[in-house]
Amino acid sequence: GESVGLHLPTLSVQEGDNSIINCAYSNSASDYFIWYKQESGKGPQFIIDIRSNMDKRQGQRVTVLLNKTVKHLSLQIAATQPGDSAVYFCAESGAQKLVFGQGTRLTINP
Amino acid sequence: EAQVTQNPRYLITVTGKKLTVTCSQNMNHEYMSWYRQDPGLGLRQIYYSMNVEVTDKGDVPEGYKVSRKEKRNFPLILESPSPNQTSLYFCASNLPGTSYEQYFGPGTRLTVT
Repeated sequence: GESVGLHLPTLSVQEGDNSIINCAYSNSASDYFIWYKQESGKGPQFIIDIRSNMDKRQGQRVTVLLNKTVKHLSLQIAATQPGDSAVYFCAESGAQKLVFGQGTRLTINP
Repeated sequence: EAQVTQNPRYLITVTGKKLTVTCSQNMNHEYMSWYRQDPGLGLRQIYYSMNVEVTDKGDVPEGYKVSRKEKRNFPLILESPSPNQTSLYFCASNLPGTSYEQYFGPGTRLTVT
């Protein structure tokens, strides 16, 4: 069936370190894979996406990696800052529909 | 400022009392969607609309109605709310062809007693 899941529900990192958030998916037919960030009390905010025919895409301080062989998606945040504290959702897209994973809470230790 | 607005932000109501949560966007987006967010279940799509007068069911449409009479507005209607509809609701919009880059509203926390 169609599902998007996460390996870990929480992740704690030191300020300045790199963060890696992982996600597993099951629908090989998805066109895009997307990462959203949700800060406390706010709606999700688009971070970065990757098309299914790519394996890597970089943005500002973020990199998304897609491994279609093992159906795995990851979000790497470089030099993690306090403002990166949030819940991060992976999602897969197809046919005008988004399917979200359960989310990983990222906390930053000073 | 480009944004999606929702009202009310917080609502406590009783079982069976009809309510409407409004959603409006000022970005001229054709596609709009409603989600509910529950602990451990993530975001699940309730209904979506690809344009005016075009709506379709998402993954969890039972107990909800929507309408799309104007491009900017997409209200969510609960005709007879029940406690299992207690949740955090988000409205989102995007341009056609970019279903992944959705703009979300601030959320409406609904409690049904």
